[in-house]
Amino acid sequence: GAGVSQSPSNKVTEKGKDVELRCDPISGHTALYWYRQSLGQGLEFLIYFQGNSAPDKSGLPSDRFSAERTGGSVSTLTIQRTQQEDSAVYLCASSLEGSIYEQYFGPGTRLTVT
Amino acid sequence: AQSVTQLDSQVPVFEEAPVELRCNYSSSVSVYLFWYVQYPNQGLQLLLKYLSGSTLVKGINGFEAEFNKSQTSFHLRKPSVHISDTAEYFCAVSEGEGYNKLIFGAGTRLAVHP
Repeated sequence: GAGVSQSPSNKVTEKGKDVELRCDPISGHTALYWYRQSLGQGLEFLIYFQGNSAPDKSGLPSDRFSAERTGGSVSTLTIQRTQQEDSAVYLCASSLEGSIYEQYFGPGTRLTVT
Repeated sequence: AQSVTQLDSQVPVFEEAPVELRCNYSSSVSVYLFWYVQYPNQGLQLLLKYLSGSTLVKGINGFEAEFNKSQTSFHLRKPSVHISDTAEYFCAVSEGEGYNKLIFGAGTRLAVHP
């Protein structure tokens, strides 16, 4: 079956612009996670969705970052007024609900802020 | 909060030699532990996981890991590596009640030489 997909695969934007990153999880996976992979910080958790709600947003680095999920499926991560330090690979993962279940990762979106 | 330490940032090894990638985590309470592999320009793939039970966990591609609670370690091993094992390996611990907020180590780059 289809895995987790993310779009775009690459995004180059100018400092100060807003960007939207999309994640399509595996069908039936109610848990969805966003992570960020950067040279300076490694792999960091950003946010966890259970269905359409986000009980854990503790990893969002600033109020410029927000995320939503609709229909228990697609999720969008929005970064407003992008800064150069936002340059990173943004990874999405989905799983069945519950901590015993494996997270399946998408290929990521590489964001470059110039 | 949990933390994960991968003691080696790079491990060079010759083909068909054994390898051990080291991982230590901070918590002494019950944890779920994972090893992920990231091949160049690809997403993360689960190699193996420890949830409970036997401390020796076998994963894909001939890898195995041993959970040692007293030493808070979860080292990854393979008795004979191949060129195709060249990749970045990440150890992770789960934090969260009923969901897997993964806390990752900094990664170990395994370079297999002919």
